[in-house]
Amino acid sequence: DTEVTQTPKHLVMGMTNKKSLKCEQHMGHRAMYWYKQKAKKPPELMFVYSYEKLSINESVPSRFSPECPNSSLLNLHLHALQPEDSALYLCASSQVSTGNYEQYFGPGTRLTVT
Amino acid sequence: GQNIDQPTEMTATEGAIVQINCTYQTSGFNGLFWYQQHAGEAPTFLSYNVLDGLEEKGRFSSFLSRSKGYSYLLLKELQMKDSASYLCAVNYNQGGKLIFGQGTELSVKP
Repeated sequence: DTEVTQTPKHLVMGMTNKKSLKCEQHMGHRAMYWYKQKAKKPPELMFVYSYEKLSINESVPSRFSPECPNSSLLNLHLHALQPEDSALYLCASSQVSTGNYEQYFGPGTRLTVT
Repeated sequence: GQNIDQPTEMTATEGAIVQINCTYQTSGFNGLFWYQQHAGEAPTFLSYNVLDGLEEKGRFSSFLSRSKGYSYLLLKELQMKDSASYLCAVNYNQGGKLIFGQGTELSVKP
């Protein structure tokens, strides 16, 4: 199984809502990532978890709150988002986070903030 | 800075060969990846280079010159389904963090 799954596929939320994005992998990978991707742009790294511990936070605003409940699951909690946060949110995983293993990407959640 | 440069767009003909170049800053280099991304889909891994030379995988090959800070992705026998964005990404020894280029939008015409 080389699949990373993400739910939901699409999400529309208001600026006062609280929602969560979910990501799951069963490849035994110990590194998981959240990326944000705007149209016609490359993915931008947000967070890296290594062995369920947050190892990189790319100065992401606190309205985005990541959580790694176990080695297979990664959540991104959203609160008080802005319209400019509308984007495709991609989850990825790799064997470990030493940088020399390919990252497997999920299909993404397309988020629209109204 | 850690700028990754690649052409914005390329067009090629079905059955032909196309080379997509990528240049990067060499300081701290720890490996280079190529990903393919079709519109509206997730990036998929194509190749990884950390040593100089050519890595061949079917119709796709990737080349690296560490001293020149240069890589290319070579696509042979182009097919219409190869129309996609091709992303060059470099690891700079920062715990799994990849720096992506802007992507090259390849259009394959009949």
